[in-house]
This record gives sequence, C-alpha cells and structure tokens, in this order.
Amino acid sequence: QTVVTQEPSLTVSPGGTVTLTCASSTGAVTSGSYPNWFQQKPGQAPRSLIYTTNNKHSWTPARFSGSLLGGKAALTLSGVRPEDEADYYCLLYYSNTWVFGGGTKLTVL
Amino acid sequence: QVQLVQSGAEVKKPGTSVKVSCKASGYTFTMSGISWVRQAPGQGLEWMGWISAYNGDTHYAQNFQGRVTVTTDTSTSTAYMELRSLRSDDTAIYYCAKDYDYNVDVWGQGTTVTVSS
Repeated sequence: QTVVTQEPSLTVSPGGTVTLTCASSTGAVTSGSYPNWFQQKPGQAPRSLIYTTNNKHSWTPARFSGSLLGGKAALTLSGVRPEDEADYYCLLYYSNTWVFGGGTKLTVL
Repeated sequence: QVQLVQSGAEVKKPGTSVKVSCKASGYTFTMSGISWVRQAPGQGLEWMGWISAYNGDTHYAQNFQGRVTVTTDTSTSTAYMELRSLRSDDTAIYYCAKDYDYNVDVWGQGTTVTVSS
C-alpha cells in the first residue's frame, strides 16, 4: 500500500515563508506523479491550489507556488497571511489511482 | 462558472447502501472525469475512485474495490457514487471533484453520510 507523507504540522509567522513537502513511499516524487495541492479550512470543502507540480488555477494567490524539491513535491507560501492558516493536502498519481498525503496543519502565529 | 452540486445528507443503517449524486454545470461534462473523495470526522482526505464521463472507464482505490461503484448519467450531467455494506467507519463527508488531465480542480460542497444503528 502506497503511503504519501506530509509534515503533520508547521508554524510560520505572518509575512514569513514556509515550505510544505510531500514524499512517496515508492521513491522520488517526479512530474509523472502529477502533484496536486489543496487547502482546506474548518467546515469547508477542499480548495485546489496547484496542479501538475507547479501550475496555478486562476484563483490561486500568487504567494503560493509548487515545485519538486529533493525528491519530494513541495508547496511554498511566501509572504504568509493569517488567512493562510489551514490544512494542506497533497495528492499524487500512481497508475490510474490517486493517493492523498496525511495533510499538514499550518499555523500562522 | 464550473460548479458541482451534491445531494443532501444521509443517515443509513449498517449493512445498507448509500448513493450520492453530483450534478455538474458550467462545463462540458463528457470532456472530463469525476473523482470521489471522503473525509472521516477529524481525519484527512481519502481518494475512493474515478470515472471518465466520456467513456465510463472507472478506477478504484484498493481499499474500496468491490464495495463502491461510480457511474454517470450524461443526459443530466450527473455523477453517482454508491457505497455498499456500510459500516460505522464509513461515516464521513463524501466529496466529488472534477478531475481532468491530472488536474483535480473544482469540488462539490460535500455530502455527510452517517452510519448508525
């Protein structure tokens, strides 16, 4: 069973920069894993931020960016705002199936 | 605008089945796929399965093989997810999401399914 691992929690100061990562139990994450990233706030449905590694939706704030970093998928938030406090999930593709990471709870403090 | 609207909350008894609908609008339904995702209370997201609205091809997560079926009705631009042999640990919010070309972009509002005797 494939496991996708994210940091359980991270804390960042307002205006700061933070990078969330997403690792695969099968080895290095590549562009062929088509990483997607989602933000979820309490009581809300997830909202898509990034698709296929580093592509933004029309609604994705410019301070969010996606990349591959050291064999993992990464989501970087630059100039963090209080409203970025949320849970973040990555999603990786494996031969016709998707697997979510366990999520990262981001605290802005 | 692209929108997915899901059916209302359900309360089911263990051993029964539930069928959740997801009505799409704002895009050509048959040009995309739909993924189904669930979230148990206080837990993370879990991918369940996917269907192509173009040709009906399906793929399921191993955890749900044999217990879940996803279908579409292209005449009404609606996708369905049926989960059988419900257990208490199937209590969750079930989401549909538009899934095309490795881009999972628009999500439904979620449907709460409670399994309780």
